Amino acid sequence: DTGVSQNPRHKITKRGQNVTFRCDPISEHNRLYWYRQTLGQGPEFLTYFQNEAQLEKSRLLSDRFSAERPKGSFSTLEIQRTEQGDSAMYLCASSLMGSQETQYFGPGTRLLVL
Amino acid sequence: GIQVEQSPPDLILQEGANSTLRCNFSDSVNNLQWFHQNPWGQLINLFYIPSGTKQNGRLSATTVATERYSLLYISSSQTTDSGVYFCAVETMNYGGSQGNLIFGKGTKLSVKP
Repeated sequence: DTGVSQNPRHKITKRGQNVTFRCDPISEHNRLYWYRQTLGQGPEFLTYFQNEAQLEKSRLLSDRFSAERPKGSFSTLEIQRTEQGDSAMYLCASSLMGSQETQYFGPGTRLLVL
Repeated sequence: GIQVEQSPPDLILQEGANSTLRCNFSDSVNNLQWFHQNPWGQLINLFYIPSGTKQNGRLSATTVATERYSLLYISSSQTTDSGVYFCAVETMNYGGSQGNLIFGKGTKLSVKP
């Protein structure tokens, strides 16, 4: 069990560019979540997948954001036409559907939009 | 939606002291987790505790679901306990599926040597 991994760990981009982040969950986990955290705040939910199906999306997830989880394994989060307000830590978590659904978090991708 | 409030927002302790962190939530929950976020941003699971009491070394947690609060106890604090402690809850949505965690704003703990 290597835990949840995320790449890249840091990303600096210019406003208007597109960025893509990757999350690899714990191998047997069928649920995968994306959260966003800004300075001084707790993480805020963006979206989650059960296997390859995207089951829930927050209203925070504007139409510039898209997430995929092909084949129910790794997931990607893409932000198109980035804005300075997108600067944040993007966190991925995974869990195993069952009676005690502890969510395990990855180290995050820190995005800075200039 | 459900509200999650943590107190105190900031806490400074001398090494060796004990502390209690509180989490109040405004509705029934299916899941409650406590996390420690280290200075590098990594969220580390401490407890999955929708009800009852659990202990792990110097840390213990109690959730009283009927009164909608949870407490995290840290005994004999160490400098490595410094960081932000988050409480997060999950509720059942109208569709019946379980999903996202809703986080409080955290308690920032600083343990001085």
